[in-house]
Amino acid sequence: GAVVSQHPSRVICKSGTSVKIECRSLDFQATTMFWYRQFPKQSLMLMATSNEGSKATYEQGVEKDKFLINHASLTLSTLTVTSAHPEDSSFYICSALGTGQETQYFGPGTRLLVL
Amino acid sequence: EDQVTQSPEALRLQEGESSSLNCSYTVSGLRGLFWYRQDPGKGPEFLFTLYSAGEEKEKERLKATLTKKESFLHITAPKPEDSATYLCAVRPTSGTYKYIFGTGTRLKVLA
Repeated sequence: GAVVSQHPSRVICKSGTSVKIECRSLDFQATTMFWYRQFPKQSLMLMATSNEGSKATYEQGVEKDKFLINHASLTLSTLTVTSAHPEDSSFYICSALGTGQETQYFGPGTRLLVL
Repeated sequence: EDQVTQSPEALRLQEGESSSLNCSYTVSGLRGLFWYRQDPGKGPEFLFTLYSAGEEKEKERLKATLTKKESFLHITAPKPEDSATYLCAVRPTSGTYKYIFGTGTRLKVLA
């Protein structure tokens, strides 16, 4: 139980294009999902928290218009990196929190490379 | 200020050499403490959730314990496949959906 998937696992795009990453909770309903960014050999950096049907809450320093988050259902959240630039290249990881639960379950991550 | 500190930053063990990883935390109140394992290029894999001091949980060669100030992840007779980064996180009672992660301990088990 408690499986979270992410798609794609790896994406390469040209500078200026937009990229959408999907995060799905496969066997439970996730009222809340989190999006993280991780740089090599560093810990997780929380970007935003999304609740189903509500606007996401972004951490300080994270551009809302650049990292669009949609949590349209209890099993799906998407992160769209708009007008991507090489500095957006990173490892993006989502996690999901079941209704009334305390434990986050993480997806496998998406490696984004912007050329 | 809520804080989580993990030590050591890195640890090298010989196969079969048992050891412990430490996660010290400072929060006004604790809703839960979490241990994850992360392999390179992958998302964190859930290991344990602990809720109150005195609680212990085990899974194969791993055992997690919790006091009011810290948690230990004990690794008994580790194998090379236990090599990974181990992350600790706490969820304080204050703040909605707030989780604080430590910077992790990079464990390398040598055959």
